[in-house]
Amino acid sequence: DAKTTQPPSMDCAEGRAANLPCNHSTISGNEYVYWYRQIHSQGPQYIIHGLKNNETNEMASLIITEDRKSSTLILPHATLRDTAVYYCIVRAQNAGNNRKLIWGLGTSLAVNP
Amino acid sequence: KAGVTQTPRYLIKTRGQQVTLSCSPISGHRSVSWYQQTPGQGLQFLFEYFSETQRNKGNFPGRFSGRQFSNSRSEMNVSTLELGDSALYLCASSLATTGTYNYGYTFGSGTRLTVV
Repeated sequence: DAKTTQPPSMDCAEGRAANLPCNHSTISGNEYVYWYRQIHSQGPQYIIHGLKNNETNEMASLIITEDRKSSTLILPHATLRDTAVYYCIVRAQNAGNNRKLIWGLGTSLAVNP
Repeated sequence: KAGVTQTPRYLIKTRGQQVTLSCSPISGHRSVSWYQQTPGQGLQFLFEYFSETQRNKGNFPGRFSGRQFSNSRSEMNVSTLELGDSALYLCASSLATTGTYNYGYTFGSGTRLTVV
């Protein structure tokens, strides 16, 4: 599985868009990009995933560059409850028995009032 | 529907003891994975079970073991506890079928183990 690189921390003003970048320059053609977040003292929460097209759901938008070497998670109107550590993971969809996820240290997002 | 349930939420043990942690996945989910999370290392994969069979294992010593029951509930056991085993242990369930991964994982809130 490809590894990812994320900035260790970011700040965002409440109500503004939070744009969290992720580099995955060694991503393979069959690997998806997944985003999770972890709020303090809770388990990670699935946010969104995509292969090559941009994706949007009720929580966020995922923008994947054309070469797929990087992506950006967008929280359109950040709230204080979005303060969390955000993890970007790349993972093959069909990888036989090897389904473990490789987690980095993520980006600690602080949403400020 | 109920989420992933992990018990207990907090646990304090002394060195040398053993501990068993429990995880009940979301109803219908057959895949259960375990992770160890520490401040410096992040989430480290322990093992994954599907239909009572261990499908994959991380790089942890043999003191860490697990099993899955026919109702998909899973337990992990750590024997001869060391101070370094203090961590948040997370369980995640998935609807994934054998050989595919096209669903996200749902995590429980974890069991925080402190070894003194």
